[in-house]
Amino acid sequence: QLQLQESGPGLVKPSETLSLTCTVSGGSISSSSYYWGWIRQPPGKGLEWIGSIYYSGSTYYNPSLKSRVTISVDTSKNQFSLKLSSVTAADTAVYYCARHFQLHYGMDVWGQGTTVTVSS
Amino acid sequence: QAGLTQPPSVSKGLRQTATLTCTGNSNNVGNQGAAWLQQHQGHPPKLLSYRNNNRPSGISERFSASRSGNTASLTITGLQPEDEADYYCSAWDSSLSAWVFGGGTKLTVL
Repeated sequence: QLQLQESGPGLVKPSETLSLTCTVSGGSISSSSYYWGWIRQPPGKGLEWIGSIYYSGSTYYNPSLKSRVTISVDTSKNQFSLKLSSVTAADTAVYYCARHFQLHYGMDVWGQGTTVTVSS
Repeated sequence: QAGLTQPPSVSKGLRQTATLTCTGNSNNVGNQGAAWLQQHQGHPPKLLSYRNNNRPSGISERFSASRSGNTASLTITGLQPEDEADYYCSAWDSSLSAWVFGGGTKLTVL
């Protein structure tokens, strides 16, 4: 059974870079037709897509975050990662990684989420 | 700011039917269809349907989705206490090349 697990610092200082990794187990990140995405949810608010990546390295980003986001993939480790630069308190959220079939299908497997707080 | 529009809340009685709506445009819901997610407090979202009315394995037939033009709907029949949750719609926007989400609907089962 495919599982995703987010990891990374729970506290990041303002203006610094948030870095998270999603480890995929029970399946290969190199499976064709699957994309791997990052989604976040600020406290008490709704879901916001950050971006997605294919195992080949092809990426799609939320236009509102594009200037600050980098998503990369490491197929040898079966992981993909998120970097969000110049963070502010508005970036405080639960960050989820998820899988979606093709680019247009829904996100069918989700990690448990990791809380990231931006504070000095 | 959410890209898709959902009512903030819906309340229905036990064993009744609830229909949740999600309005987008011709670049997202009207083009690629919508996916629906259920989220209980403190848990990650769970996919209920994708591309309008395809249910992943293990999802109850009480959940059915449809689309009319730029509006997608999720119908939940025979409401149970465990259906009380937040429901989000999402869709790929071909003009933005991005996923967009609705703001979510909180379903209360009375």
